[in-house]
Amino acid sequence: GQNIDQPTEMTATEGAIVQINCTYQTSGFNGLFWYQQHAGEAPTFLSYNVLDGLEEKGRFSSFLSRSKGYSYLLLKELQMKDSASYLCAVRDASGGSYIPTFGRGTSLIVHP
Amino acid sequence: DVKVTQSSRYLVKRTGEKVFLECVQDMDHENMFWYRQDPGLGLRLIYFSYDVKMKEKGDIPEGYSVSREKKERFSLILESASTNQTSMYLCASSLEAGVSYEQYFGPGTRLTVT
Repeated sequence: GQNIDQPTEMTATEGAIVQINCTYQTSGFNGLFWYQQHAGEAPTFLSYNVLDGLEEKGRFSSFLSRSKGYSYLLLKELQMKDSASYLCAVRDASGGSYIPTFGRGTSLIVHP
Repeated sequence: DVKVTQSSRYLVKRTGEKVFLECVQDMDHENMFWYRQDPGLGLRLIYFSYDVKMKEKGDIPEGYSVSREKKERFSLILESASTNQTSMYLCASSLEAGVSYEQYFGPGTRLTVT
């Protein structure tokens, strides 16, 4: 199985930068996803990392270090609409399954 | 745009009732999933299906069954609903699981069992 850890809650100020960390333990790492979920809505895909390094997509970037079992999601120029839950999901292929396992999510509150 | 729809947004059922939750996707995805989401526990996989009539147990299959008779439709069945099955149920679909394809989620069904 996998052990995925994320902070439960974070707060930040509009216009600032925030980094949401995700650590994991897995024997057959095969990719890491980040999803955004607004309250009462479905999760939506943000990013996918399978190789080490930084993937940038507009105001959002995602970083992966496979040797450290570590990823972060970086949100720049925060807006009020970024207040949401951010879910880290890790795919482990060691058991032959490619189904991602989700962390418990990080609730981000952006205040003026 | 991929669209995943679920039959109800809100459902209230009594203990012991048989409950059907329906999910339909319109993008010809091979894989479909059922999750439940509870505060503090995150998304937990109940069942998934990688093809018509194929199903695999997820992490918490007890008390649930599924049916996939057509590629676009994946049903979750609670044979005898219990209060501990009160939860938000999310359906998702994706292309083949062996590559980097992300999951597309439906809007969710909030089920209350009284």
